Amino acid sequence: GAGVSQSPSNKVTEKGKDVELRCDPISGHTALYWYRQRLGQGLEFLIYFQGNSAPDKSGLPSDRFSAERTGESVSTLTIQRTQQEDSAVYLCASSWTGGYYEQYFGPGTRLTVT
Amino acid sequence: AQKVTQAQTEISVVEKEDVTLDCVYETRDTTYYLFWYKQPPSGELVFLIRRNSFDEQNEISGRYSWNFQKSTSSFNFTITASQVVDSAVYFCALGDSGGGADGLTFGKGTHLIIQP
Repeated sequence: GAGVSQSPSNKVTEKGKDVELRCDPISGHTALYWYRQRLGQGLEFLIYFQGNSAPDKSGLPSDRFSAERTGESVSTLTIQRTQQEDSAVYLCASSWTGGYYEQYFGPGTRLTVT
Repeated sequence: AQKVTQAQTEISVVEKEDVTLDCVYETRDTTYYLFWYKQPPSGELVFLIRRNSFDEQNEISGRYSWNFQKSTSSFNFTITASQVVDSAVYFCALGDSGGGADGLTFGKGTHLIIQP
């Protein structure tokens, strides 16, 4: 079946602009995660969605970051007033449910802020 | 706080050699989960294995094997008879008992280079 998809694959934006990143999880997966991977680093957890529950936003790096999920499907991660330190690969993952079932990752969106 | 340490930043071996990637973790939870992921040059993370803290049996899958030792808080990964296709960045990750709400804590990864 189809895996996790993300769009766009690459995004170059000017400092100060807003960007929106999209994630389509695997059908039937109720849990969805966003991570950030800076160059040469491990993954940094950002936010988790489980079903229709309100997410815990405490992992988001700043109030310029926000995320939404429509039911148990598409999620968007929005970064307002982008800064150069936001440059990274943003990865989305989904799993059958929460509780640390294996997470399946999308190909990521490479964001470059100039 | 949770922490995952992969002390080996980069390992380079010649094809057919065996190689072990180290992973040391820290957690205060008694229930936790450990993972290994592979990130090939294409960039997409590939799930390799998930173990829970109550299962200390070593696991073998083809040329891959994992050694989980709670006494040393380690979850090491060995590739036997390495192949060029094994070249990738390998990440060890830890999940606690929070039901997923805190995401996984990843190590910084080990870049494995298999030379022909």
